[in-house]
Amino acid sequence: NAGVTQTPKFRILKIGQSMTLQCTQDMNHNYMYWYRQDPGMGLKLIYYSVGAGITDKGEVPNGYNVSRSTTEDFPLRLELAAPSQTSVYFCASSAGTSGLYNEQFFGPGTRLTVL
Amino acid sequence: KNQVEQSPQSLIILEGKNCTLQCNYTVSPFSNLRWYKQDTGRGPVSLTIMTFSENTKSNGRYTATLDADTKQSSLHITASQLSDSASYICVVTSDFTGGGNKLTFGTGTQLKVEL
Repeated sequence: NAGVTQTPKFRILKIGQSMTLQCTQDMNHNYMYWYRQDPGMGLKLIYYSVGAGITDKGEVPNGYNVSRSTTEDFPLRLELAAPSQTSVYFCASSAGTSGLYNEQFFGPGTRLTVL
Repeated sequence: KNQVEQSPQSLIILEGKNCTLQCNYTVSPFSNLRWYKQDTGRGPVSLTIMTFSENTKSNGRYTATLDADTKQSSLHITASQLSDSASYICVVTSDFTGGGNKLTFGTGTQLKVEL
C-alpha cells in the first residue's frame, strides 16, 4: 500500500495563477481531509469529505475548492493564488471519525510558494 | 475557545537521554487525544491514542500519559535516538452528538537529538 500520495512536492506560483494539488489514497478510506500548515502554527482544516460526492468546508476554506468524484481522489484547487496561500499542504484520510478509526494518515505534503 | 498548547516549543537533548513533552488542552467535549510524530518534510504519523479512561499508554520507547481532570497529557521518550528528532504534535478530538467531530491541533514541540 502506498498510503496517501500527493503531487507535486513543491510548486512556485505567481499571484493570480491557479493550480490543483492532487491527493490519492489506496486504503479505501471514506474520510479525506486537506490541511495547511504555516510555520509555528497548528494544522488548519481547509476542506474535508465524508465520501465520494460529499465535501464540506473546514476552518479556512476561502480561496480553495475541492471535489470528490471517487473514493480514492480528493484534489484541492487554488483559484487566483495569493501570497497568503504560501504554506505546506497536507492531505489525509481516515477510516472513520470515532476512537481508533479516527487515526488520520497523512501524505508527504506539498510546499507551495506564491510570489 | 478550544485550544491545545504544547511545551516546550523546542528542545535539544543528547542521544540516550530521556525527555518529556507537555500538552495542555481546553477542548470540550473530549473524545480522545493523539500524539503524532512529524519528521522534517513528511506528514504526521500517529504514535498513540488515549481515551478518557486511559492514564498511560506505551508504544516502544514512547509513553503517553493523560490526566483528564487537569486536561493535561505528556509524551515521555526514553533513551532517545537521533531518529527521534522531529516535531511532536498533540491532537485532541471532540465527537459531537449526531455524528461529526473536530480535531484541534497543537503547534508541536520541535525535538532535536544530538550526539
